[in-house]
Amino acid sequence: EPEVTQTPSHQVTQMGQEVILRCVPISNHLYFYWYRQILGQKVEFLVSFYNNEISEKSEIFDDQFSVERPDGSNFTLKIRSTKLEDSAMYFCASRLLVGEQYFGPGTRLTVT
Amino acid sequence: QQPVQSPQAVILREGEDAVINCSSSKALYSVHWYRQKHGEAPVFLMILLKGGEQKGHDKISASFNEKKQQSSLYLTASQLSYSGTYFCGTEYSGNTGKLIFGQGTTLQVKP
Repeated sequence: EPEVTQTPSHQVTQMGQEVILRCVPISNHLYFYWYRQILGQKVEFLVSFYNNEISEKSEIFDDQFSVERPDGSNFTLKIRSTKLEDSAMYFCASRLLVGEQYFGPGTRLTVT
Repeated sequence: QQPVQSPQAVILREGEDAVINCSSSKALYSVHWYRQKHGEAPVFLMILLKGGEQKGHDKISASFNEKKQQSSLYLTASQLSYSGTYFCGTEYSGNTGKLIFGQGTTLQVKP
């Protein structure tokens, strides 16, 4: 069964460093998402991406964040200068056109 | 704009039933239900797209009351594997698929 994959599973970085989180959405899906979940809290929407551009973003998704689909399979989230409060689990999700979103296993980002 | 889930937590014995509610103060386009186990990704359970729609999956079903802007998740004859945190994700327009999640309901099923 097709699934969303994410790498790395855990990333440790120092404050101020840039990180890139990678995702491979389900191959025929058209919408891609990033969500984050701070430990013990709810899942929060960051950004949606469709037709090679951002279709919607949240207030969390400020200038420090960017997304890219560099080729036909990968979907990346870049954080330019990480802060302690960026520590969270980051989930990538994808959906076909409408309907259910399928989540990847997540990348745990730890900023020290 | 965040949906409100109730209860926050529930403890059951195997075989008992539970209902989890998700309420919105704003008109909903759809409601998505997910279950998340500790340290894992949310797993999609079901989506409700129309007011009054009911969907079922094994012993888990859900309803969507459009007038009340509320969805309920019904777990019947609970099993140990049902333990986890249940989130409702609400979609307010049908455009981008942006989901706003409730704060979650922790369900613990004991033998």
